[in-house]
Amino acid sequence: AQSVTQPDIHITVSEGASLELRCNYSYGATPYLFWYVQSPGQGLQLLLKYFSGDTLVQGIKGFEAEFKRSQSSFNLRKPSVHWSDAAEYFCAVGSGNTPLVFGKGTRLSVIA
Amino acid sequence: EAGVAQSPRYKIIEKRQSVAFWCNPISGHATLYWYQQILGQGPKLLIQFQNNGVVDDSQLPKDRFSAERLKGVDSTLKIQPAKLEDSAVYLCASTMQAGGGDTQYFGPGTRLTVL
Repeated sequence: AQSVTQPDIHITVSEGASLELRCNYSYGATPYLFWYVQSPGQGLQLLLKYFSGDTLVQGIKGFEAEFKRSQSSFNLRKPSVHWSDAAEYFCAVGSGNTPLVFGKGTRLSVIA
Repeated sequence: EAGVAQSPRYKIIEKRQSVAFWCNPISGHATLYWYQQILGQGPKLLIQFQNNGVVDDSQLPKDRFSAERLKGVDSTLKIQPAKLEDSAVYLCASTMQAGGGDTQYFGPGTRLTVL
């Protein structure tokens, strides 16, 4: 069965610092991989997704993620964090025939 | 383009009561999903509709949960009777097609508190 692990429950970074959120997945075939962001009281918004091709994916709000098949990872990065990036981030895995499976999320706090 | 609409946004009920949630997906989206998000966890799929047919309801607790999408547009999710462990945010999402790679667009959710 497919699964997603986000090892970090909560991360705190300073505004302007770089960010990396980790995501590891377990899936038998080539997965579709997603990163979503959820602000308090809001639904989930897609940041970026990977299906195939270039393993470095660019998303909205200056985020990017890199698919590493050998490590079963799809880590999310941002070179300079803004206070408005404080939110919950979810990694998800799916395929053409199976529903999305989400990780438990990583809560990002941004300090001045 | 209007997003996914959900109502109510908040609901507080006592255990053993019934509750219903409503979702209106993005116009033209054939596939609709209901997720349950318990505090501190990621969303878990409850049921997936393709038009007005059920594609996947394997994780829906059918003894107390039911959902319908009669005309292939909006949908309702019902819990009867509610238990304390049903306290969660119920998210509705929609996609144009049924493929797992399609971007899912989420509504703001309904936060249910069962006392």
